[in-house]
Amino acid sequence: DAKTTQPTSMDCAEGRAANLPCNHSTISGNEYVYWYRQIHSQGPQYIIHGLKNNETNEMASLIITEDRKSSTLILPHATLRDTAVYYCIVRVAASGSARQLTFGSGTQLTVLP
Amino acid sequence: SAVISQKPSRDICQRGTSLTIQCQVDSQVTMMFWYRQQPGQSLTLIATANQGSEATYESGFVIDKFPISRPNLTFSTLTVSNMSPEDSSIYLCSVEDSQLTGELFFGEGSRLTVL
Repeated sequence: DAKTTQPTSMDCAEGRAANLPCNHSTISGNEYVYWYRQIHSQGPQYIIHGLKNNETNEMASLIITEDRKSSTLILPHATLRDTAVYYCIVRVAASGSARQLTFGSGTQLTVLP
Repeated sequence: SAVISQKPSRDICQRGTSLTIQCQVDSQVTMMFWYRQQPGQSLTLIATANQGSEATYESGFVIDKFPISRPNLTFSTLTVSNMSPEDSSIYLCSVEDSQLTGELFFGEGSRLTVL
């Protein structure tokens, strides 16, 4: 069963913020929200993860709703190099838990010049 | 972060042959994983490579088709045996962050085309 739901594709203008939504209504209390992206012909790249508080790093911000049933990944100033498939994943943050990690279809983000 | 090198980066193979993909990590890691990404599809976990014991395979994947070795904490191989065109995919090696944050690091993948 899919644990997350994401739009299939989104466009964003270069220099603008890209807001990628993800629904995870069945998330468990000990599951984190992880975001990865896969640029064409490359391996997936970790972006950010969080449990319930909003998180920010040098790449992006993660906003998680209070009920934790959805989240939004924000790329504050999208560039052409941010064009990629973005995967939202929920999983426990424990050694070996990657076996429970399911990559869905993701969102194809296209940044337009 | 971990740096992962995979070889070969791409190859074209004949039906019925086997190919071994190597994965080298720049640090010792406990968990190593092998994924398959078929054309236009998302990633699917093939198996977990365990050091000192048999690999753990996910449903739909068997050792005879995808034998795995894990001789030490920095290296693993995945063999795709008796290949058919349906095996044409990108095969990715991944390791888990040693700080137990759950973060996964991926190699660049090995793109196999089976004719």
